[in-house]
Amino acid sequence: GIQVEQSPPDLILQEGANSTLRCNFSDSVNNLQWFHQNPWGQLINLFYIPSGTKQNGRLSATTVATERYSLLYISSSQTTDSGVYFCAVDRTGANNLFFGTGTRLTVIP
Amino acid sequence: DTAVSQTPKYLVTQMGNDKSIKCEQNLGHDTMYWYKQDSKKFLKIMFSYNNKELIINETVPNRFSPKSPDKAHLNLHINSLELGDSAVYFCASSQDTGGRSPLHFGNGTRLTVT
Repeated sequence: GIQVEQSPPDLILQEGANSTLRCNFSDSVNNLQWFHQNPWGQLINLFYIPSGTKQNGRLSATTVATERYSLLYISSSQTTDSGVYFCAVDRTGANNLFFGTGTRLTVIP
Repeated sequence: DTAVSQTPKYLVTQMGNDKSIKCEQNLGHDTMYWYKQDSKKFLKIMFSYNNKELIINETVPNRFSPKSPDKAHLNLHINSLELGDSAVYFCASSQDTGGRSPLHFGNGTRLTVT
């Protein structure tokens, strides 16, 4: 099956700092999504981004499908950004998303 | 509020019991899913339904049976619960099955089997 690796596994930031999270995948995909699981367990869809670049406020994401990776940028981090960030991919065309193991982000004031 | 809602939020039960988790979405989406998140936070798809028809059925024990009375509802029934079934179960929905639309999750049901 497809392998999805996320790095770093853990990240601690001072409030206001910027960070880049990486997602590498082992095969071509037609669907890639980023999610944030907050400390209360809610899973929020951040980006649907099979290719290209998108921005939403302080967050942006870039997927280079030909090189099999995606990056999530968080700028001017806030304590509310804390939680686990998941990358998920699919190559079946059926939204059968396979999740990575996540990056746990802690933003300290 | 437009959302994916699932009930109950917490479910504590004993081994051998049968339980159900309900899920409803009012987003007008065609496809609904069940995902399982284990104690290590790993998320894995269990089932997906498109307009009441089963599309994906991953390797899940047949003690788990999804039921979709209409495209806005996808319930999960679990028979003969085992300790290993303890996990957080997430319902989700998307506009279509073609992998061209984002997935929206409910808030999860934490199942504890004692």
